[in-house]
Amino acid sequence: NAGVTQTPKFQVLKTGQSMTLQCAQDMNHNSMYWYRQDPGMGLRLIYYSASEGTTDKGEVPNGYNVSRLNKREFSLRLESAAPSQTSVYFCASSGFPGQGNKGTINEQFFGPGTRLTVL
Amino acid sequence: RKEVEQDPGPFNVPEGATVAFNCTYSNSASQSFFWYRQDCRKEPKLLMSVYSSGNEDGRFTAQLNRASQYISLLIRDSKLSDSATYLCVVNRGTNAGKSTFGDGTTLTVKP
Repeated sequence: NAGVTQTPKFQVLKTGQSMTLQCAQDMNHNSMYWYRQDPGMGLRLIYYSASEGTTDKGEVPNGYNVSRLNKREFSLRLESAAPSQTSVYFCASSGFPGQGNKGTINEQFFGPGTRLTVL
Repeated sequence: RKEVEQDPGPFNVPEGATVAFNCTYSNSASQSFFWYRQDCRKEPKLLMSVYSSGNEDGRFTAQLNRASQYISLLIRDSKLSDSATYLCVVNRGTNAGKSTFGDGTTLTVKP
């Protein structure tokens, strides 16, 4: 199992450009998350999806949109990138134990991250 | 006040030392607690869950004090490989989107 995968690993954008960060998990998890991590800081939740077909705002949603394409995939879109969005973006997933799900309750599994620089 | 606060660190300790990190949380309704480890420029990974009765995993011991609203992580006999940032995570419920991460405490173990 690959766990949680993210693409791309690195990206440089100019102010005003748009892009979509892709995330997929193969652990049969219902919930998926997008976080950003700025230098020396913890993770801040941008958006999450408790289950397929639902999405909700987290702590810092402004400037972002998300799509839960299916149970496996959860994408994050920056419509008009700004330098303040320079950060490392992590996707994560979690599920309830049993039912073929990996992990304990509320345990989140993270992807390797996307390092985004907006000039 | 932040919902989850950790010792600011950094902690620089010699190999073999015992080191303890504390984390306080403000929401008394919090239900589950975790310590994650994050290596430089890598993704966070679960180190251990924290149970009310306390739990131990090898050299690592986690404790929860609900009355005082803090959790702790004790690392005994520190190894060079323990050098990382340790993140405290608090869940306000069992539903998705209820996790809050602390800013992390950085540990450097030196020979």
